[in-house]
Amino acid sequence: NAGVTQTPKFQVLKTGQSMTLQCAQDMNHEYMSWYRQDPGMGLRLIHYSVGAGITDQGEVPNGYNVSRSTTEDFPLRLLSAAPSQTSVYFCASSVSQGRETQYFGPGTRLLVL
Amino acid sequence: RKEVEQDPGPFNVPEGATVAFNCTYSNSASQSFFWYRQDCRKEPKLLMSVYSSGNEDGRFTAQLNRASQYISLLIRDSKLSDSATYLCVVWRSSASKIIFGSGTRLSIRP
Repeated sequence: NAGVTQTPKFQVLKTGQSMTLQCAQDMNHEYMSWYRQDPGMGLRLIHYSVGAGITDQGEVPNGYNVSRSTTEDFPLRLLSAAPSQTSVYFCASSVSQGRETQYFGPGTRLLVL
Repeated sequence: RKEVEQDPGPFNVPEGATVAFNCTYSNSASQSFFWYRQDCRKEPKLLMSVYSSGNEDGRFTAQLNRASQYISLLIRDSKLSDSATYLCVVWRSSASKIIFGSGTRLSIRP
């Protein structure tokens, strides 16, 4: 099992550009989520999904879109990148929300100039 | 005030020492508690869940105090490989909310 995979590992964007961060898992987990991690802020939830076709907003959803067309994939779209979106982005999956272990991908480091 | 608070550290202790971290949470409806470990520039990984009766996994002991709303992590006989950031995680089913603390950085010196 590859677990949770994320691409790309690093990305540099200019303000106003759009891009999609890819996330895939091969553990047949229903719950998937996206976090951003900034120094001193901890991990903050952007969006999450409890199954294919179902998504919801987390704590910091503005500027990001998600979709979940399959159980395996959960891409995160930045609509119009801003310097405030410079961060490390982690995708995670688990059997269900809450009590279960969350498995994280290796992260995507994003710099917006 | 953050819902989950941790001392950011860094804690710098010699190999073989015992070190303890606390984490406080503000919402008494919180139900599940975890410690995750994050190595530098890596993803977080589950270290252990925290149960009401306390639980131990080798050199690691986790405790939950619901009355005072804190959880603790004790590391005995610390190793160089224990150097990492330790994240306190709390889950509240009523709000379908998982909250991560900012982490406590631990550095073990030879």
